[in-house]
Formats: sequence, C-alpha cells, structure tokens
Amino acid sequence: GENVEQHPSTLSVQEGDSAVIKCTYSDSASNYFPWYKQELGKGPQLIIDIRSNVGEKKDQRIAVTLNKTAKHFSLHITETQPEDSAVYFCASGGGFKTIFGAGTRLFVKA
Amino acid sequence: DAGVIQSPRHEVTEMGQEVTLRCKPISGHNSLFWYRQTMMRGLELLIYFNNNVPIDDSGMPEDRFSAKMPNASFSTLKIQPSEPRDSAVYFCASRQSSRQETQYFGPGTRLLVL
Repeated sequence: GENVEQHPSTLSVQEGDSAVIKCTYSDSASNYFPWYKQELGKGPQLIIDIRSNVGEKKDQRIAVTLNKTAKHFSLHITETQPEDSAVYFCASGGGFKTIFGAGTRLFVKA
Repeated sequence: DAGVIQSPRHEVTEMGQEVTLRCKPISGHNSLFWYRQTMMRGLELLIYFNNNVPIDDSGMPEDRFSAKMPNASFSTLKIQPSEPRDSAVYFCASRQSSRQETQYFGPGTRLLVL
C-alpha cells in the first residue's frame, strides 16, 4: 500500500545550526507534499508545502526540495532556534487522501 | 476564524463506556477528516467526509467505532464500547474542498480509557 518513510525519528541540533529531515514516498500519483509542525499539546500545523511541478520552495528559514524521479523530498531549517523544537511530519497526497510520515522529533539546544 | 474546534479536550473513561468526540470544522470547508495519533502507530486516518458524506472509512479500526456528519458544521466520532487500547489523541481536520490539499487540524481530544 501507499506509505511515507521519514528519517530521522529524532534530531538534536545546536541553536543556529541547520536541520534536515528526509522523506520518501511510494505512490507515483502523489503530487502534493506538505510539511506539518506539531507542538506539544497541539494539532499539526502546516508550515510549508510543495507541488510536483516545482523542485524547490523557500519561505524564510524553511525550504523544501522535491525529487519526483527518486520519490524523495526534504525539509531544511536554517539558523534553528529553540522555538523550532517540535515534531515535524512530512506527507504526500493527491486527490483526497494524504499519507503522513511517522514524524521527526526535533530538539534545538540553546 | 476560530479554526477547527474539538470537544472535549480531555476525556477519561472506564472500559466499556461510550465515548463521543465532537468536531466543528472551519466554516466553508466541505471536507472533514478524523485521525488517531499514538506513539506506536503515528497519525492514522480513520475516516474522511466530503460534503457530509463518508467517502473512505477504511481506517476505522472496527465496528466499535462510528462517525457521523449530520451537517456541514458538526461531526462526531463515537466509540462504543471503549477499550484501553483506544487511548490516544484524536484529531479532526478540515479542508476547503477536495481540490484544496491543505488540511487544518483541531487541537485534538486526549482520550484515556482505564
């Protein structure tokens, strides 16, 4: 069946360093790739998304890249700050269904 | 906009009891999703409604789970009878339309079944 694999499951970085989270997906028909951030006690919130007709998208300190041939996509956070500490989920979708990765717990140490 | 509203935020109940979780989607959104989140299984889609009609309920674990959407502004997820393994955080999410991909999640209901 369709699935999304996400790595690493836990990531610890020093404040100011970069963080990279990688995902792979299996459904060739997927054309939409959102990233969600979940803070403690809250629901996941969309932080950035990318569609299959674009290879890269950037929003301030956050960037996403997509390699449709390899079915890989990644989230890059630069100049990390303590408030970036959260669980991040990648997802792939197309149509009504969105498949989520297992999540990456990011710790940013001050 | 108030966002997706879920109630209750926390629920503690005893095994065998009926549990009803409630969701109010964002006004104007016509797609609604129920998810369950656990440490072991991550974020699982339970059921998806479009225009108040259930489209895909393949994620509903078993007959003890049921979901309804009587109108565009309200949905319920019911567990009867509840079991300890149902303990999880249940999220409701809504989306503007089937063509708009972004889902907006509610704050979740943390359910503990003793």
